[in-house]
Amino acid sequence: KQEVTQIPAALSVPEGENLVLNCSFTDSAIYNLQWFRQDPGKGLTSLLLIQSSQREQTSGRLNASLDKSSGRSTLYIAASQPGDSATYLCAANDYKLSFGAGTTVTVRA
Amino acid sequence: NAGVTQTPKFRVLKTGQSMTLLCAQDMNHEYMYWYRQDPGMGLRLIHYSVGEGTTAKGEVPDGYNVSRLKKQNFLLGLESAAPSQTSVYFCASSYKLEAGNTEAFFGQGTRLTVV
Repeated sequence: KQEVTQIPAALSVPEGENLVLNCSFTDSAIYNLQWFRQDPGKGLTSLLLIQSSQREQTSGRLNASLDKSSGRSTLYIAASQPGDSATYLCAANDYKLSFGAGTTVTVRA
Repeated sequence: NAGVTQTPKFRVLKTGQSMTLLCAQDMNHEYMYWYRQDPGMGLRLIHYSVGEGTTAKGEVPDGYNVSRLKKQNFLLGLESAAPSQTSVYFCASSYKLEAGNTEAFFGQGTRLTVV
């Protein structure tokens, strides 16, 4: 059974600081790993999807890396803004998505 | 372009009542999923479907049933609601990049309270 862990559970940073969010998974036999953003009371918005054959994926200020052999993915958010405040979820896809519990980020103005 | 639409968005049930949650997607996706989200526990898979007419159990299927009679719709039923089923329910759909390799898109959720 795939187990996904996200550390830390919560993070508070001043505006402008870079964010580093960690995701680990126990079964490396995945097709891809997907990062999502969730705002309070809202649904999930897909941020980045990294295929198992890729090492990283970038979109604007977001960069996600994947090390399948060690079971780790990291989401980097550069120059954080108050609008980045949300919960970030990672999901390992081994035919079904298995989610971590998320990292709740607060960016202070 | 609606994407994934869930109906209803909110519902309050009494213990023992039944209800059906509807998920509809207009992206012609093969796969559909039902998750529940509880505080501090992330999303847990209830049931999923890999195509019209097929369903399979996920991590927490007890107390729920599903049906996928049409490719675009995935129904989640609660036969006899219990307070433990108070949760936020999310539906997702995904397309098949290749066998098993998919990208998922989520609905906005249904907030269910069982009293």
